[in-house]
Amino acid sequence: TQLLEQSPQFLSIQEGENLTVYCNSSSVFSSLQWYRQEPGEGPVLLVTVVTGGEVKKLKRLTFQFGDARKDSSLHITAAQPGDTGLYLCGGSNDYKLSFGAGTTVTVRA
Amino acid sequence: ETGVTQTPRHLVMGMTNKKSLKCEQHLGHNAMYWYKQSAKKPLELMFVYNFKEQTENNSVPSRFSPECPNSSHLFLHLHTLQPEDSALYLCASSQDFASGDTLFTDTQYFGPGTRLTVL
Repeated sequence: TQLLEQSPQFLSIQEGENLTVYCNSSSVFSSLQWYRQEPGEGPVLLVTVVTGGEVKKLKRLTFQFGDARKDSSLHITAAQPGDTGLYLCGGSNDYKLSFGAGTTVTVRA
Repeated sequence: ETGVTQTPRHLVMGMTNKKSLKCEQHLGHNAMYWYKQSAKKPLELMFVYNFKEQTENNSVPSRFSPECPNSSHLFLHLHTLQPEDSALYLCASSQDFASGDTLFTDTQYFGPGTRLTVL
């Protein structure tokens, strides 16, 4: 059983559309990270959220950490082909960092 | 060099070969990790080193042998691998800190990975 469940598993949208991916858990995390990974490359850190209810914006990306620090969402506005990739969430719980299986996002031109 | 670097980026080896993967972090971190990423599977944590000491070994077969000579370098020695070991091997580092008896881990930064193919 995955400690972190990501949904949907796959998402394919047209350029210019919006999308949201989710990361859910029954565990509380002290912090949560979002990464984007392109094929054959390592995950690249996008953001770390640490406070329940926190919202962080990075250009067209909006990250939200749930009030109870058990879940998070990533919203992309006006998606572009360059947003294509595997989006991974990772939750820090004291000593351990657990990862979800990821959401594969494809943005068609 | 900045961040976390890994060499080689691609490796093809036979089942009887011995090879090593190298990871170097330039972030001043005190913890380093090896992960295995197979197609359509989540990241699998293999080994963790905190302050140069191995603190976690997630039931990894003995044909994988890690080495951490200092806080900036991490190696993964490979011998007599199997075709199912073909995967992307990722190295990561983080700055961990202790509070009392509890060790806390901060954000992990990943290298670009080594794509390993075992024939």
